Amino acid sequence: EAQVTQNPRYLITVTGKKLTVTCSQNMNHEYMSWYRQDPGLGLRQIYYSMNVEVTDKGDVPEGYKVSRKEKRNFPLILESPSPNQTSLYFCASSLSGIKDTGELFFGEGSRLTVL
Amino acid sequence: AQSVTQLDSQVPVFEEAPVELRCNYSSSVSVYLFWYVQYPNQGLQLLLKYLSGSTLVKGINGFEAEFNKSQTSFHLRKPSVHISDTAEYFCAVTKDYGQNFVFGPGTRLSVLP
Repeated sequence: EAQVTQNPRYLITVTGKKLTVTCSQNMNHEYMSWYRQDPGLGLRQIYYSMNVEVTDKGDVPEGYKVSRKEKRNFPLILESPSPNQTSLYFCASSLSGIKDTGELFFGEGSRLTVL
Repeated sequence: AQSVTQLDSQVPVFEEAPVELRCNYSSSVSVYLFWYVQYPNQGLQLLLKYLSGSTLVKGINGFEAEFNKSQTSFHLRKPSVHISDTAEYFCAVTKDYGQNFVFGPGTRLSVLP
């Protein structure tokens, strides 16, 4: 089954404790992206990656890091989480390039609470 | 830079009534337009998209949307809603296929019995 898998789905942590949210897709997609969803703000892009070893900042990259060492994986790293990073996080992927229909495929989300 | 406006944050409607969810965008270049739906506790899934061609596009679950370039709008419609349509709906634009999506703030559709 084609899917984007995020882990963990739920996490409560404390300020300053490094954490990683993993994202994996099995569709051989070149493009992957992270979003955060906050009430009234919709989804805002944190980082995106056009392909392996190629990453770029989105609209709200502060406090986050990403890496793309393999095509299927795109982890989101919070080196020193703060309470303002409490949010619902979504990973998404897309085929990219001329073959792309423009559709983003989303994971089920990771709800993060930073105390 | 692109931006997306969804003027209605919440839309309550009775079952079997028609509904229109509004979406306006701003962009200095041609864009591609999408509507995504998010059911409770789930990720987003594609409802429909406009890439080119006919300005009236049909999506899943009986939804359709019309691209109006002069009014920079892409309103979503359904002639008769069901309880199962209760969800949050996001309009999104991108100027390059599958990249740098900009999402609107979302409209929460509540279908009442």
